[in-house]
Amino acid sequence: DAGVIQSPRHEVTEMGQEVTLRCKPISGHNSLFWYRQTMMRGLELLIYFNNNVPIDDSGMPEDRFSAKMPNASFSTLKIQPSEPRDSAVYFCASSRWTGVAGELFFGEGSRLTVL
Amino acid sequence: DQQVKQNSPSLSVQEGRISILNCDYTNSMFDYFLWYKKYPAEGPTFLISISSIKDKNEDGRFTVFLNKSAKHLSLHIVPSQPGDSAVYFCAAMNYGGSQGNLIFGKGTKLSVKP
Repeated sequence: DAGVIQSPRHEVTEMGQEVTLRCKPISGHNSLFWYRQTMMRGLELLIYFNNNVPIDDSGMPEDRFSAKMPNASFSTLKIQPSEPRDSAVYFCASSRWTGVAGELFFGEGSRLTVL
Repeated sequence: DQQVKQNSPSLSVQEGRISILNCDYTNSMFDYFLWYKKYPAEGPTFLISISSIKDKNEDGRFTVFLNKSAKHLSLHIVPSQPGDSAVYFCAAMNYGGSQGNLIFGKGTKLSVKP
């Protein structure tokens, strides 16, 4: 089975540019999570979806960040405009939510560098 | 305020010896704990978990111990192997709650020397 697929793996952009990160969750999983990893803050949850509906976006740093899940097999995380402090590794994860805790399956991450 | 703390950013151990990675938490509502392992350029992968109804869970070379009164858990790897070199994340949540409540620590980088 294919795991969680993220693209791009690496993105280098200039401050002010729009960045779009993409995620394809594991087929059959109904929960999708976007995390950000930095040295200072570790792994932080940005937003998560259940059955394509955003459940909690309280981790989204500010209005420059937005996430969508138009269908069960695709999600995007967009940063507009990007800033150097957004540089981090962004992980997407998915799971099969059955009402109790379940294992999260992570993608390989998208490393973003904003110059 | 960090709810899950891994106070050692790094740990170096000789091959064959025991590795002990520690994790502390502050939220008494947490009742389910997980360890994830992360290799460079890869996403974290699930390693082992423990419910608060237990104080120990073992899976091969990996054992997680939970001390609820101290709000402390530890991951023991015996014997340590060079392939265990990775970053280990401790995570905690409320078992019956939303999966969005899974809180990660900052990670401990384990280096196992041959």
